[in-house]
Order: sequence, then C-alpha cells, then structure tokens
Amino acid sequence: EVQLVESGGGLVQPGRSLKLSCAASGFTYSNYVMAWVRQAPTKGLEWVASISTGGGNTYYRDSVKGRFTISRDNAKNTLYLQIDSLRSEDTATYYCAKDGENTGPFDYWGQGVMVTVSS
Amino acid sequence: DVVLTQTPSTLSATIGQSVSISCRSSQSLLDSAGNTYLYWYLQRPGQSPQLLIYLVSNLGSGVPNRFSGSGSGTDFTLKISGVEAEDLGVYYCMQATHAPFTFGSGTKLEIK
Repeated sequence: EVQLVESGGGLVQPGRSLKLSCAASGFTYSNYVMAWVRQAPTKGLEWVASISTGGGNTYYRDSVKGRFTISRDNAKNTLYLQIDSLRSEDTATYYCAKDGENTGPFDYWGQGVMVTVSS
Repeated sequence: DVVLTQTPSTLSATIGQSVSISCRSSQSLLDSAGNTYLYWYLQRPGQSPQLLIYLVSNLGSGVPNRFSGSGSGTDFTLKISGVEAEDLGVYYCMQATHAPFTFGSGTKLEIK
C-alpha cells in the first residue's frame, strides 16, 4: 500500500525557515517523480514544486523560486521541502504527492502538514 | 499561466441523480505529441485529494465506474452517473500540459 507521511510543519514567524519531510513507503520511491502541492486555508490547490527521480531536475512555481528548495534522499525514501524567508502567504497545508507510472501527476497524496506563518 | 474555469462552483444533488461538472481551459491542453494532460481529483471533507480521472477519460485505480471524463482541447467534463453519499466533497480539474501545473477553483458537491 502506498503511504506518504508528511512532517515538520508548525507555527513559524515571518522570515524564518522550515523544512518539511515526506516519508514514502509501499512503492519503489526512486522510480517516481515527486511533488509538493499546497492549499491555503479554505482555498484551492496550488502546485509548488516537483523533482525528478534522481533529484537532478527541479521545478518551481515562480512565486516560490529562490525561497523554496525541493530535494530527495532515495536511500531514505524521503522527500523534502526547505522553505526560507517565510511569508504570511505561505500559510497552507502542504501535501506531498507522487506521479503515477502511466497516469502522470499526483496519483497518490499524503495527508498533509500545516504550516502557519504568523508573528 | 493556464486558467481553468470550473462550473458550477456548487452543485446540490440527490442520491442517484446524475451530475456534470465543466472545466474550461484558457489554452488548448493538447500537446505537440497528441497528449492531453487533464485530470480530475476529489477532496472529501477533511481529507487529501484523490485521483479520479487521468488523461481526460481514464479511471484512476479503485475509482467506481459511475465516474467518467470526456472532452478535448479546451472543454472538459466530469460526469457522475448516479451520485452516492460518499461522493460529497470538492472536485478539482488540473492541467499538466503547460508549466506551471494549474488547478481549477473547485466544484463543491453537496448531497440533498
């Protein structure tokens, strides 16, 4: 059974940093593109970043470029999102999601982790 | 960025009723290789999204066949043939043809 379990969220002051983790199991992690998608409170879904299977290629939405860093450790079956210079507009639930083998993006999602940016 | 416009924003249905949700794109989602990367997700209350339909019309793993997807180019539709109580939640379309991936604003399905 595919499982994606996020951790590392919490209440953070503006300008500070945070690192989210997503532990994957139930599939051959190193074979799949992975991504982070966020959802601000009562809002819709927003793709944040994606990373290739080996980690050599990363992709970001423009609004987070230079502040967010997606990475992965295939030996630990873990996905990361480093968030620097946090802003109030980064307040959201962050989901990690895996691509499907033949389906394309986001065939499985984690339960999400909440990040609240407030002083 | 590609804008996906979903209608209606809210839908109220009785059990057994058939309903449709529209997703219109600001650009064609057909790529140069002939693929159309249009997806549908359901987010039940308090849960993470789950994949319903991929590549316009293909059913996700474990998804009941009362769900179906259709469309091409810029116009797409999700149909539920015989709504069940467990179908309540917010439905999102998403495109992955053009970077960045973008989602529609969602359609909330309520059960009468």
